[in-house]
Amino acid sequence: GENVEQHPSTLSVQEGDSAVIKCTYSDSASNYFPWYKQELGKGPQLIIDIRSNVGEKKDQRIAVTLNKTAKHFSLHITETQPEDSAVYFCAARSTGFQKLVFGTGTRLLVSP
Amino acid sequence: KAGVTQTPRYLIKTRGQQVTLSCSPISGHRSVSWYQQTPGQGLQFLFEYFSETQRNKGNFPGRFSGRQFSNSRSEMNVSTLELGDSALYLCASSPERGGDTQYFGPGTRLTVL
Repeated sequence: GENVEQHPSTLSVQEGDSAVIKCTYSDSASNYFPWYKQELGKGPQLIIDIRSNVGEKKDQRIAVTLNKTAKHFSLHITETQPEDSAVYFCAARSTGFQKLVFGTGTRLLVSP
Repeated sequence: KAGVTQTPRYLIKTRGQQVTLSCSPISGHRSVSWYQQTPGQGLQFLFEYFSETQRNKGNFPGRFSGRQFSNSRSEMNVSTLELGDSALYLCASSPERGGDTQYFGPGTRLTVL
């Protein structure tokens, strides 16, 4: 089945810096890659997603890139703010399994 | 639209008991999936329901079961609770079966003593 690895497990940046979180997946049939943000005491919130027919997608300060050949995708957050502090999860979904497989999460801390 | 709601938000049970958790999906969403979140195992898929039928199942023992009602509301049940069942149980809804975009509820925090 699908396996998703996520790095780093923790990431500390200064406000205004950029943050990059990387994930790799194992199933070449995976075609949907969402990113979720989870704040303390809350459920994961979808922040951006990308499908396998697209290489990059942006939404204001957030962008996701996908390299199908290398089977990895990354989340880029620019001009980080303290409210970006949270745990971020990547996930992958293949048409075969039809379920989301999550990475282990990255705790992002943005210091003022 | 109101988001996914889960009740109760917190539960404390003892080993051997059973528990039922409830999830109301976003209005109009017909697919409900359940996930278990623990510090050690992360987010793991339990099962998905669509049109009152289980469509997909993760690698969990038979003590974990669920159902979906005609109004798309879903319940999951865990029987003979074990200490390792302590976790945050998350429900996610999607407009269609196997839908890519899933919207999560706040979760139910289950503690087994």
